[in-house]
Amino acid sequence: EVQLVESGGGLIQPGGSLRLSCAASGFTFSNNWMTWVRQAPGKGLEWVASIKQDGSHKYYVDSVKGRFTISRDNAKNSLFLQMNSLRVEDTAVYYCARGVSCDYWGQGTLITVSS
Amino acid sequence: QSVLTQPPSASETPGQRVTISCSGSSSNIGSKTVNWYQQLPGMAPKLLIYSNNQRPSGVPDRFSGSKSGTAASLAISGLQSEDEADYYCAAWDDSLNGYVFGTGTKVTVL
Repeated sequence: EVQLVESGGGLIQPGGSLRLSCAASGFTFSNNWMTWVRQAPGKGLEWVASIKQDGSHKYYVDSVKGRFTISRDNAKNSLFLQMNSLRVEDTAVYYCARGVSCDYWGQGTLITVSS
Repeated sequence: QSVLTQPPSASETPGQRVTISCSGSSSNIGSKTVNWYQQLPGMAPKLLIYSNNQRPSGVPDRFSGSKSGTAASLAISGLQSEDEADYYCAAWDDSLNGYVFGTGTKVTVL
């Protein structure tokens, strides 16, 4: 059974940094692109970033370029999202998903950016 | 602001059919496959349709997808109360070099 479990969420002040993790199991992690998607409270889904199987290619939505970094550790079946210079508008539930097509999703972790 | 446009809401009585549209452009729907997601209240999204019209294992055949040109649609036939959810289309966009989600449609079963 495919499982994706996010962690690392919480309350952070504007300008702060946070690192999200996603633990994957039930499939061959190293064979799959991985993706982060977020959803602001009461809003729709927004793709954030995707990373290729070997980490050689990364893509980001414009609003997080230069501030967020997606990475992975295939040996530990883990996906990460380093978030720097956080803004109030980054407040959202962040989901980890398998593949660019997001065929499996985690339960999400809430990031609240507020002073 | 999403580049894939969906109607904000759709509603129908149980047993009826509801169709949700998703309008895009040549850089996304016009040249890429479309996926659809269902998000039940308080839950994570779930892949409902992939590659325009394919259903993952376990998705009832009441759900169907289609694509024509720069538009796609999701149809739900034999509507049931448990189908009340938000539905999102999505596709890769070559101009943005990113994956884009539709604006989302809330389906209400009357």
